[in-house]
Amino acid sequence: AQKITQTQPGMFVQEKEAVTLDCTYDTSDPSYGLFWYKQPSSGEMIFLIYQGSYDQQNATEGRYSLNFQKARKSANLVISASQLGDSAMYFCAMREVNFNKFYFGSGTKLNVKP
Amino acid sequence: DAGVTQSPTHLIKTRGQQVTLRCSPISGHKSVSWYQQVLGQGPQFIFQYYEKEERGRGNFPDRFSARQFPNYSSELNVNALLLGDSALYLCASSPQTNLPANEKLFFGSGTQLSVL
Repeated sequence: AQKITQTQPGMFVQEKEAVTLDCTYDTSDPSYGLFWYKQPSSGEMIFLIYQGSYDQQNATEGRYSLNFQKARKSANLVISASQLGDSAMYFCAMREVNFNKFYFGSGTKLNVKP
Repeated sequence: DAGVTQSPTHLIKTRGQQVTLRCSPISGHKSVSWYQQVLGQGPQFIFQYYEKEERGRGNFPDRFSARQFPNYSSELNVNALLLGDSALYLCASSPQTNLPANEKLFFGSGTQLSVL
């Protein structure tokens, strides 16, 4: 079974608007971490935000916030006030506790229109 | 401080050849992981090394091997290359093998391997 599912291959958003990128995950481990990475055309994976399975509040990092719904096993990324530089691939990832192995989704390509 | 560095950035090989990819972790990081990212997909875990020992292996054939050196740098070797090995190979480093829950991996920019 897929550990991480991203159902939006591509998304468009108007500059300065907010956008939500969807992510669902599958694990039986009670302790896990959820991550979002941004991958521009240069290839490097840039860390954006983290949410722990025991965290009570949704994580926020500047313009990025994570809408964590544990019962639904979803961890959607919300980008507020989109910028042209936000155009990139976005990957949701999960790490089960005590392992360095990350499971990645297939990614969402975000295009920000001026 | 330098981030994770990988070399070469691009590589073209033909089927049946062998290739070696190199990675230098962030200074002070002792764990190195390798990921394969085929076009249009997310990265897939290949190996993790810590203190020169293999600590994890993904679902890849024995043609894939790796090693870690005393200075914590790492090499990924792929033998008998197939067309399907064409991908971006990403190296990631972390301070230790069992991270705190919120510790992220730090990735390099990758080596783009094309097999013709």
